[in-house]
Amino acid sequence: NAGVTQTPKFRVLKTGQSMTLLCAQDMNHEYMYWYRQDPGMGLRLIHYSVGEGTTAKGEVPDGYNVSRLKKQNFLLGLESAAPSQTSVYFCASSYLRGSFEQFFGPGTRLTVL
Amino acid sequence: GEDVEQSLFLSVREGDSSVINCTYTDSSSTYLYWYKQEPGAGLQLLTYIFSNMDMKQDQRLTVLLNKKDKHLSLRIADTQTGDSAIYFCAESRYGGSQGNLIFGKGTKLSVKP
Repeated sequence: NAGVTQTPKFRVLKTGQSMTLLCAQDMNHEYMYWYRQDPGMGLRLIHYSVGEGTTAKGEVPDGYNVSRLKKQNFLLGLESAAPSQTSVYFCASSYLRGSFEQFFGPGTRLTVL
Repeated sequence: GEDVEQSLFLSVREGDSSVINCTYTDSSSTYLYWYKQEPGAGLQLLTYIFSNMDMKQDQRLTVLLNKKDKHLSLRIADTQTGDSAIYFCAESRYGGSQGNLIFGKGTKLSVKP
């Protein structure tokens, strides 16, 4: 089991450029999440998905879009990157029930110049 | 308030016990969690406690839950340099569904040899 994987690991963008971050999980989890982590801010939920074909907004959704076309993949898109989106992005997944433990990917470090 | 609160830093000597404290806000939270983040890595679940328990012990880790005061603590016995990391407290609002794990800002534990 690879668990939760994220690509790419690092990326540098210029203001206004677009990109997509890919998250994949092989644990057959129903739920998937995108967080951003900034110094002194902890983790903040951007968007989440409770199943294939469904997405919902989290705490800080502005400037991001997501898609969950397949159960195992959750994509995070930035249409027009801004310096305020410089952050470390984490994907996570969890089962529908039980302890709701979230399994995290290794993160993507994004810098927007 | 709505935040999960933790102190930001803790420094201990190798071999001592570490106690990381957390206060949460939602008395209906079903589960409370401790996650560990090592430098450059994603979050990894250390342990969790169900809300009807007062204490949970797992090898060197002891979790204490005071529901009346909404206070959660993590004790690490015989702290080692490998325990140096950021520790996040989290609560599961609404039963943990729909992405509602609320994280604290994290406590950075430094272990001095």
